[in-house]
Amino acid sequence: DARVTQTPRDKVTEMGQEVTMRCQPILGHNTVFWYRQTMMQGLELLAYFRNRAPLDDSGMPKDRFSAEMPDATLATLKIQPSEPRDSAVYFCASGLGFGGEQYFGPGTRLTVT
Amino acid sequence: GEDVEQSLFLSVREGDSSVINCTYTDSSSTYLYWYKQEPGAGLQLLTYIFSNMDMKQDQRLTVLLNKKDKHLSLRIADTQTGDSAIYFCAVITGGGNKLTFGTGTQLKVEL
Repeated sequence: DARVTQTPRDKVTEMGQEVTMRCQPILGHNTVFWYRQTMMQGLELLAYFRNRAPLDDSGMPKDRFSAEMPDATLATLKIQPSEPRDSAVYFCASGLGFGGEQYFGPGTRLTVT
Repeated sequence: GEDVEQSLFLSVREGDSSVINCTYTDSSSTYLYWYKQEPGAGLQLLTYIFSNMDMKQDQRLTVLLNKKDKHLSLRIADTQTGDSAIYFCAVITGGGNKLTFGTGTQLKVEL
């Protein structure tokens, strides 16, 4: 059955290193979301795209985070340089058109030491 | 911006009904959702309700919406151990498909 995939599932890295997380949305979905989940802040929307164009990235720290969709089958979230406070689970979700029906990937658990 | 609040924990016995509550602030919210998150997994859409409805039933799930009080609830009938998870309420804000999620309610089902 169709599902959102994310790689890697787990990433441990040292402070200052670059981290790239990848997401493959469900084929045919035209909206892609990046969320971050922590115990303290809960679920935060970082950025979202429709038809590969960024619509809102106001939730993302601009100085170190960047999100792109090089093509319709790949979304990336990059952190450079990473910091310990970036440790969290990062989820990608995809959906169709308008509305809040979103399909989540399994997440990437990032630990920055 | 939109604020969505939920209580943090709920504990019920297997076979009982669970009721998870949510309040929101934006009266123009058009669609309201319930998502479920099991340990180590992403969120999964359970059900949703349009703002022009006050109730929706889907098998063991019943969603109630009180627009006047901006209150949404999810009732799970005959709660099972497999229902143990975190449940998130979410509302559409500002049109389009940007969701604002609540803090999540951890449901624990005891034998």
